[in-house]
Amino acid sequence: DAGVIQSPRHEVTEMGQEVTLRCKPISGHDYLFWYRQTMMRGLELLIYFNNNVPIDDSGMPEDRFSAKMPNASFSTLKIQPSEPRDSAVYFCASSFSGGPLDEQFFGPGTRLTVL
Amino acid sequence: KNQVEQSPQSLIILEGKNCTLQCNYTVSPFSNLRWYKQDTGRGPVSLTIMTFSENTKSNGRYTATLDADTKQSSLHITASQLSDSASYICVVSGGANQGGKLIFGQGTELSVKP
Repeated sequence: DAGVIQSPRHEVTEMGQEVTLRCKPISGHDYLFWYRQTMMRGLELLIYFNNNVPIDDSGMPEDRFSAKMPNASFSTLKIQPSEPRDSAVYFCASSFSGGPLDEQFFGPGTRLTVL
Repeated sequence: KNQVEQSPQSLIILEGKNCTLQCNYTVSPFSNLRWYKQDTGRGPVSLTIMTFSENTKSNGRYTATLDADTKQSSLHITASQLSDSASYICVVSGGANQGGKLIFGQGTELSVKP
């Protein structure tokens, strides 16, 4: 398996534009997580899915952020409209069962810069 | 409030030397504690995972310890190599009813110099 795949790897956009980040989890994994990493706050969980259903979105910063998982092999994180403070590295991770001992496998991340 | 705190924030050591990174947590309920290594420009990769009943776990030159009573953990790196230069993140997982939610520390930035 190629691991968790994210695209694009880098995104530069202007304030106010819509940004869509994409993730393909590891095949057979039932849980998918979206994280944001900044120097100030480290890694933060934004939202996670179980079997394509959003379970906890309490980490989503505001209504400008939305995430979907239309099928088991694809998820998107959308920011509309984007703001400079959204600049960060966004990671997608997946795990087999989501149990407390289950390992999460992270993708390479998308570095987002909002000008 | 569930928190994970790491020290030091950054560390510079010479190649071949040992070092120890610290992690204190206040997460409750507690299920397990993990140490991740994150290379620059990459996603975090798991090094060790320990439940409350485990005191120590090794992965090659990496040895993690856990004291569930004092809620402290450490990661010891033996005979450091240049490739050990990375951010090391302490992560705590809560009880089963929290699903896969992880609480991350801010990380310790380790730089190994020749």
